[in-house]
Amino acid sequence: DTGVSQNPRHKITKRGQNVTFRCDPISEHNRLYWYRQTLGQGPEFLTYFQNEAQLEKSRLLSDRFSAERPKGSFSTLEIQRTEQGDSAMYLCASSFAGTRSYNEQFFGPGTRLTVL
Amino acid sequence: AQTVTQSQPEMSVQEAETVTLSCTYDTSESDYYLFWYKQPPSRQMILVIRQEAYKQQNATENRFSVNFQKAAKSFSLKISDSQLGDAAMYFCAYRRGSGNTPLVFGKGTRLSVIA
Repeated sequence: DTGVSQNPRHKITKRGQNVTFRCDPISEHNRLYWYRQTLGQGPEFLTYFQNEAQLEKSRLLSDRFSAERPKGSFSTLEIQRTEQGDSAMYLCASSFAGTRSYNEQFFGPGTRLTVL
Repeated sequence: AQTVTQSQPEMSVQEAETVTLSCTYDTSESDYYLFWYKQPPSRQMILVIRQEAYKQQNATENRFSVNFQKAAKSFSLKISDSQLGDAAMYFCAYRRGSGNTPLVFGKGTRLSVIA
């Protein structure tokens, strides 16, 4: 168990460029979540998947944001036409949704995005 | 919508002393979970302790314990015998029901531990 990994760890881009982040969950986990954390705030939910199905999207997820989880393994989060307001830490978490009602979400180290 | 409020942006504690971090939440649900997460500087978030709403007994994990007041919708974290490694951001979080729904976080409390 190597934990949740995220790449890249840091990304600096110019306004208007597209960026893509990757999250690799813990191998047996079927749920994958994306959160965004801005300076001085707690993480805010963006979207989550069960296997390859995207089950819920937050109102925070504008049409410039898209997330995928092909084959129910790793996930990508793409931001098109980045804006300075997109600067934040993007966190990924995974869990196993089974017969138990509680399953811990394990977080990755995050990708810090800076839009110049 | 559910909300989580942490009214203490920063707290400090002397090493070996006890500190309590406050959290209140708002929900109309009867089935939910509450969590405290720790986020050390430049390191990933880890779960400290959780509480199921249907359990009256307060959760305890070693030096960490909670005071869960369901009627008041209050969920405070007590850290006993504080250690330098406890210095971090602490986030209170809520999750409704079963089924691994997303977490709702408070804004966090930055805890400093003074040697």
